[in-house]
Amino acid sequence: NAGVTQTPKFQVLKTGQSMTLQCAQDMNHEYMSWYRQDPGMGLRLIHYSVGAGITDQGEVPNGYNVSRSTTEDFPLRLLSAAPSQTSVYFCASRSTGLSEKLFFGSGTQLSVL
Amino acid sequence: GIQVEQSPPDLILQEGANSTLRCNFSDSVNNLQWFHQNPWGQLINLFYIPSGTKQNGRLSATTVATERYSLLYISSSQTTDSGVYFCASAITGTASKLTFGTGTRLQVTL
Repeated sequence: NAGVTQTPKFQVLKTGQSMTLQCAQDMNHEYMSWYRQDPGMGLRLIHYSVGAGITDQGEVPNGYNVSRSTTEDFPLRLLSAAPSQTSVYFCASRSTGLSEKLFFGSGTQLSVL
Repeated sequence: GIQVEQSPPDLILQEGANSTLRCNFSDSVNNLQWFHQNPWGQLINLFYIPSGTKQNGRLSATTVATERYSLLYISSSQTTDSGVYFCASAITGTASKLTFGTGTRLQVTL
């Protein structure tokens, strides 16, 4: 059981480049989300989805796009990367029901030069 | 939005010691979770505990929702307990927007 899988693990971009961070889960979770982690600031919610075709903004959505065409996948797109987007990105998913434990992927370390 | 504050920010323990980490939140919550981020960056869910007490081995957690705090107890600490401990909570009715504290960095020494 793979859980939550993120790719790539590391990425370096130049300012203005675009890229997509991939996230897939095999636990049939309806809820998926993206967080960014910056030093001293904990994790901040970027976007989330409560099911296929449904997405919504979190605390820091600017500069990021998401879509949810299947239950399994929730990619995060940077359309024009900026140095302020240098961070570690985590994808997470959870079930809905009695226990709403959140499960994280292993993270993507992104540097924008 | 909800404010989540953790204390202490840093903690150094000798192996075998016990510790208590605290999480205060600013509003009524129906979702409270504790996570451990190991030195390699992996985030592991320790507890989902919106209220009451749970135990898992040497770790236990208590949430007193009416007084807006949660405690994580680590007993007989081991070097593998080192890392950063985060609590996260969501206001009742907004379970999708989990807000994280800034963490407690724990170092366990021999």
